[in-house]
Amino acid sequence: QSALTQPASVSGSPGQSITISCTGTSSDVGGYNYVSWYQQHPGKAPKLIIYDVSNRPSGISNRFSGSKSGNTASLTISGLQAEDEADYYCSSYTSSSTYVFGTGTKVTVL
Amino acid sequence: QVQLQESGPGLVKPSETLSLTCAVSGYSISSGYCWGWIRQPPGKGLEWIGSIHQSGSTYYNPSLKSRVTISVDTSKNQFSLKLNSVTAADTAVYYCARAKSTGWRLDNWGQGTLVTFSS
Repeated sequence: QSALTQPASVSGSPGQSITISCTGTSSDVGGYNYVSWYQQHPGKAPKLIIYDVSNRPSGISNRFSGSKSGNTASLTISGLQAEDEADYYCSSYTSSSTYVFGTGTKVTVL
Repeated sequence: QVQLQESGPGLVKPSETLSLTCAVSGYSISSGYCWGWIRQPPGKGLEWIGSIHQSGSTYYNPSLKSRVTISVDTSKNQFSLKLNSVTAADTAVYYCARAKSTGWRLDNWGQGTLVTFSS
């Protein structure tokens, strides 16, 4: 299975909004509303921040939002803060009953 | 609060079998959910290895399927990973995680354990 495609890096200034894309196929992202997003700070385990395309787990800031159109999912971080600087990974359930991650995006707060 | 903790050797010789265990506390494995393994080579992205449902059904990454076995021990409330015929390419931080049975979102993760392969 091929990894979902994400931009390698995205940057923004404090207070701005940024969007990270995640492109798959009709067998994963496009076929199911089971896209999740994870935030990973250096040396730490990933943390779930969005599930089922657009839902936030308890305790996750509403500055994080998710959406999907066709085979591409997106994560938007609004009101960018220094603590948002991290790596972000999308993921999806697949038609083969497997799970696939995206290539990862490094977010830099300028 | 659900907690997961990986354990196992930090150094494995090439061609040998890697064995890791994930101890779960704060939740009974037999109560539901899937339980999975994910790895991350140094400086690289996440790779899903496989998952096991509390019923015992297993699901593996096709690229690793021939070398991977995931099992559950409900009496010890833990699950395990075995990866055979290892090479240096299997050097990574290995994470265990709890996955929702539908959609498989990974909502609780262990801290990860670095496994290095060297002769």
